[in-house]
Amino acid sequence: EVQLVESGGGLVQPGGSLRLSCAASGFTFSSFWMSWVRQAPGKGLEWVANIKRDGSEKYYVDSVKGRFTISKDNAKSSVYLQMNSLRVEDTAVYYCARTEDGFYYYMDVWGKGTTVTVSS
Amino acid sequence: AIQMTQSPSSLSASVGDRVTITCRASQGIRNELGWYQQKPGKAPRLLIYGTSRLQSGIPSRFSGSGSGTDFTLTISSLQPEDFATYYCLHDHSYPLSFGGGTRVESK
Repeated sequence: EVQLVESGGGLVQPGGSLRLSCAASGFTFSSFWMSWVRQAPGKGLEWVANIKRDGSEKYYVDSVKGRFTISKDNAKSSVYLQMNSLRVEDTAVYYCARTEDGFYYYMDVWGKGTTVTVSS
Repeated sequence: AIQMTQSPSSLSASVGDRVTITCRASQGIRNELGWYQQKPGKAPRLLIYGTSRLQSGIPSRFSGSGSGTDFTLTISSLQPEDFATYYCLHDHSYPLSFGGGTRVESK
């Protein structure tokens, strides 16, 4: 079964750090890009970052550039999101998603999400 | 950055209705657009990619069309399980961005 399981969310103070993990199973992880998408409480979806199959390319939404880092470990079939200098506005459910970026781009497998709360 | 504007933000419909949701890009994005469905407390689900290509396992009552700046998601005959929020996502250039969402509610 193709599956993604996020972990690492929690409560953190403004200015703090958190590292999210997403463990993949059921598919050849190294063949896919991976993405992080977030959803603030009661709000819409926001694309956060993605990373190429081999980790050689990474892209971010402007609001997290310089604070968040996406990384990928193909040997462990895992993708990570290191979040530093967290702000209240980073509070959200964070989803990881398997991403196809060939002729077409799409996110076809999603995890259930992990909740990040930034509050003092 | 490309902005995606969805309309309407919400709509009320009945089972069997034809539903149309629109997404407009702030600049041309060719056919580089997908649609996602999300139910409360659940992860999004891919419906359509490349403007009109139906994801495997998605019922054929869902269809997408458009090009350039204007795109449409159509549900030909709304089913009870289709009450949800729908989002478009462009993948034309970075940063990618979603539309604000359209909530489809029961009339």
